[in-house]
Amino acid sequence: AQSVAQPEDQVNVAEGNPLTVKCTYSVSGNPYLFWYVQYPNRGLQFLLKYITGDNLVKGSYGFEAEFNKSQTSFHLKKPSALVSDSALYFCLRGSYIPTFGRGTSLIVHP
Amino acid sequence: ETGVTQTPRHLVMGMTNKKSLKCEQHLGHNAMYWYKQSAKKPLELMFVYSLEERVENNSVPSRFSPECPNSSHLFLHLHTLQPEDSALYLCASSQDEASGNYNEQFFGPGTRLTVL
Repeated sequence: AQSVAQPEDQVNVAEGNPLTVKCTYSVSGNPYLFWYVQYPNRGLQFLLKYITGDNLVKGSYGFEAEFNKSQTSFHLKKPSALVSDSALYFCLRGSYIPTFGRGTSLIVHP
Repeated sequence: ETGVTQTPRHLVMGMTNKKSLKCEQHLGHNAMYWYKQSAKKPLELMFVYSLEERVENNSVPSRFSPECPNSSHLFLHLHTLQPEDSALYLCASSQDEASGNYNEQFFGPGTRLTVL
């Protein structure tokens, strides 16, 4: 079965520092990979996706992600974190039955 | 606003009640989804209606029953629920293609369900 893994339940980073939220996927075919963010008491919002083409994908709010086929990873990154980036982040593998990772809580400290 | 609305936003029900959750999308999409989000589990896909097919997660109990009368509306009928069914229920929609599900999903704000 296709799956995604987010190995970190929580990531802490100081405001202004770069952040990385990790996602790996199981090897099976060509993956469609997405990142979503969820703020408290809200639904999920789409950030970015990789379907094909350039391995570096740029998305909303200054986020980007790099698709790495050899490491089967799709880590979410931002060069300079903001306190307002604090939220829950989900990696998704799109397929006939889409599969979400467990989610990573990002906490950005002032 | 994402173009996906859900009602009610909060629902408290007893185990013997019957209720329904409603989702409506104003995006012209052809696929709709129900997800369950609870504190201790990842987002769990419950049902998908896509390209006029229904796909369901076999682990979903029969006390949950979906209905999709058209491409814009989706319901989740609830009956004889258990306290462990208390969770946030999220609806989403997307524009699916026969060649693959590579378009992003748009989520509603969710219905917070509490079963007493």
